[in-house]
Amino acid sequence: EVQLVGSGGTLVHPGGSLRISCEASEFNVSVNYMNWVRQAPGRGLQWVSVIYPGGATFYADSVQGRFSISRDTSKNTIFLQMDSLRPEDTAVYYCARGIWIDLWTGYYNDFWGQGTLVTVSS
Amino acid sequence: SYVLTQAPSVSVAPGETARINCGGNNIGSKSVHWYQQKAGQAPVLVMYYDNDRPPGIPDRFSGFNSRNTATLTIIRVEAGDEADYYCQMWDSGSDHVVFGGGTKLTVL
Repeated sequence: EVQLVGSGGTLVHPGGSLRISCEASEFNVSVNYMNWVRQAPGRGLQWVSVIYPGGATFYADSVQGRFSISRDTSKNTIFLQMDSLRPEDTAVYYCARGIWIDLWTGYYNDFWGQGTLVTVSS
Repeated sequence: SYVLTQAPSVSVAPGETARINCGGNNIGSKSVHWYQQKAGQAPVLVMYYDNDRPPGIPDRFSGFNSRNTATLTIIRVEAGDEADYYCQMWDSGSDHVVFGGGTKLTVL
C-alpha cells in the first residue's frame, strides 16, 4: 500500500528553524515529483515546493530563500528545511506525490500524506 | 503569477447536481486537476487532466474545461460529498503549482 508519513512538526519561535520529513512506502521518491503543500488554519491549500526526479527544485515566492527541499534515497524520504520561520508559516504541511503528464500540463498530485503541524509562535 | 478563482461556497440538496467552477485567464488551454478535502483529512485527488477520474472515484464526478472556466460536476449529490474542493494547475512558465482558493460544498 502506498503511504506517505509526515513527521517533525512542532512549536517553533519566530526566526527559528525546523526540518520536517516525509517517508514514502511502496514507491521510490527519487523517480517521482515530490511536493510540499501547506494549509494554514481555516485557509486553503498553498503549494510550497517540489523536487523533480532529476534533482531540480522550485519554491513558492513566499518561502524562496528560506526553505529548502531535499531527499534521501537510502531512507526513501523527502525533507523540508525551514529557516527564518515566521508566524505566517504556521500550517499543516502535507507531502504529496506528483505524477508527470507532459511539458505543457506538468503534473498532478495523486497521493497525499496525512500532514504534520508546524506552529510558529513566541 | 497565474490566479485561479473559485466561489467560496456552493449548496445543493441531496440528489441534485453540484457544479463547482474554477476561473482563470484562458484556463481552457491548460490542464486542471481537482481535489476533495473532507474536514480534518488530507486532500484526495478526484479528477485529473480536466476529466479523468482516478480509481475509486465514482462516475457521478465529471470535469470540463473550456475558455476561461473549468468545472467539476457532481450529479446525484450525497451527504458524503460534503467537503472543500480545490482546483489546481501547473504554471509552465515558473514550474509552480497553483491552487484555487477552494469551494465548500454543503449538502443541505
